[in-house]
Amino acid sequence: GIQVEQSPPDLILQEGANSTLRCNFSDSVNNLQWFHQNPWGQLINLFYIPSGTKQNGRLSATTVATERYSLLYISSSQTTDSGVYFCAAYTGANSKLTFGKGITLSVRP
Amino acid sequence: KAGVTQTPRYLIKTRGQQVTLSCSPISGHRSVSWYQQTPGQGLQFLFEYFSETQRNKGNFPGRFSGRQFSNSRSEMNVSTLELGDSALYLCASSSTGSGGEQFFGPGTRLTVL
Repeated sequence: GIQVEQSPPDLILQEGANSTLRCNFSDSVNNLQWFHQNPWGQLINLFYIPSGTKQNGRLSATTVATERYSLLYISSSQTTDSGVYFCAAYTGANSKLTFGKGITLSVRP
Repeated sequence: KAGVTQTPRYLIKTRGQQVTLSCSPISGHRSVSWYQQTPGQGLQFLFEYFSETQRNKGNFPGRFSGRQFSNSRSEMNVSTLELGDSALYLCASSSTGSGGEQFFGPGTRLTVL
């Protein structure tokens, strides 16, 4: 099945800094999603981005499907951005979302 | 629209018991998927239902089962609970299920003693 790898595993930032989170996947995808897991465990949708670029406020994402990677950009980070970020890929062959191991982001005041 | 809801939110059981978790998808969504999250294994796919039919199943023992009702609500059942079943169980709904955007509920945290 498809492999999804996220890097770096941990990231510590000072408030106001920018960051880039990377997601590599091993096969063609029908769907690529980024999530933020809140402290209570719920996965909050950030982007549905099988290809191209999207922006939502301080967050933006780019997926280059032909090169099998996606990037999540966080600008002017805030302490509330702290948490675990997951990317997940969906392929028709697997008919399921396969998650990466997540990136733990800590934003310090 | 209301989001995905899951009940109960927390559950404590003892080894050998069985448990049933419930998931109500977003109105109009016909696909419901279940995932298990543990610190060691991360997020793993359990199964997906679409219009009351199981479309896909993950690599879990037969103690894990599920079903979907005509109103798209889904339940999953775990029989003969083991300590390793302690996890956060997440349900997701999608309008298509075939690569469409998935939306997750708040999860049910199961503790097996």
